[in-house]
Amino acid sequence: GENVEQHPSTLSVQEGDSAVIKCTYSDSASNYFPWYKQELGKRPQLIIDIRSNVGEKKDQRIAVTLNKTAKHFSLHITETQPEDSAVYFCAAPTFTGGGNKLTFGTGTQLKVEL
Amino acid sequence: NAGVMQNPRHLVRRRGQEARLRCSPMKGHSHVYWYRQLPEEGLKFMVYLQKENIIDESGMPKERFSAEFPKEGPSILRIQQVVRGDSAAYFCASSPRDNFSGNTIYFGEGSWLTVV
Repeated sequence: GENVEQHPSTLSVQEGDSAVIKCTYSDSASNYFPWYKQELGKRPQLIIDIRSNVGEKKDQRIAVTLNKTAKHFSLHITETQPEDSAVYFCAAPTFTGGGNKLTFGTGTQLKVEL
Repeated sequence: NAGVMQNPRHLVRRRGQEARLRCSPMKGHSHVYWYRQLPEEGLKFMVYLQKENIIDESGMPKERFSAEFPKEGPSILRIQQVVRGDSAAYFCASSPRDNFSGNTIYFGEGSWLTVV
């Protein structure tokens, strides 16, 4: 099965700085890598995803990079704002007999300080 | 298009009682996933279902927990004889097709179970 590792577990940055969160996965067959943001007491919400046929994807201040050879992918947030403070989870698919599911990293608590 | 609907949003049960959590997937979605999140922890996979079929239940505790997704109606996660350690947020998610091809899964608002 898939094993997803995520670092760091906590990250504090000053407003306006960049934040980078890294994940590694174990199953070389994985082909889809989403990132979710979860605010306190709320549901996880998809913020960006990347498929294995591209190496980078950008959406305004958020970007994700993928290195399939090394089996790692990263989330980059530029010009951080206080509302970026949340827990961020990466995920990768795990293939089962009848289908597959997403396995999540352990999460990164991002705090953007004024 | 309504999102993934979960109810109840909050549920309090005494030890030994049963908890039933319901999930209606997004319209057009036939794949349902249940995840559990303990306080200040990550999302742990529990079970993956399609209509009338359990595809993968490798994350379900061996006892007291069961799940179903009948032909008609919502998916139900059932916890019998609850204990304090069952207190957690239970999130349901759905996707239109098998996630193999990279279909996004969307989460419901969660059901927050407290066992007293």
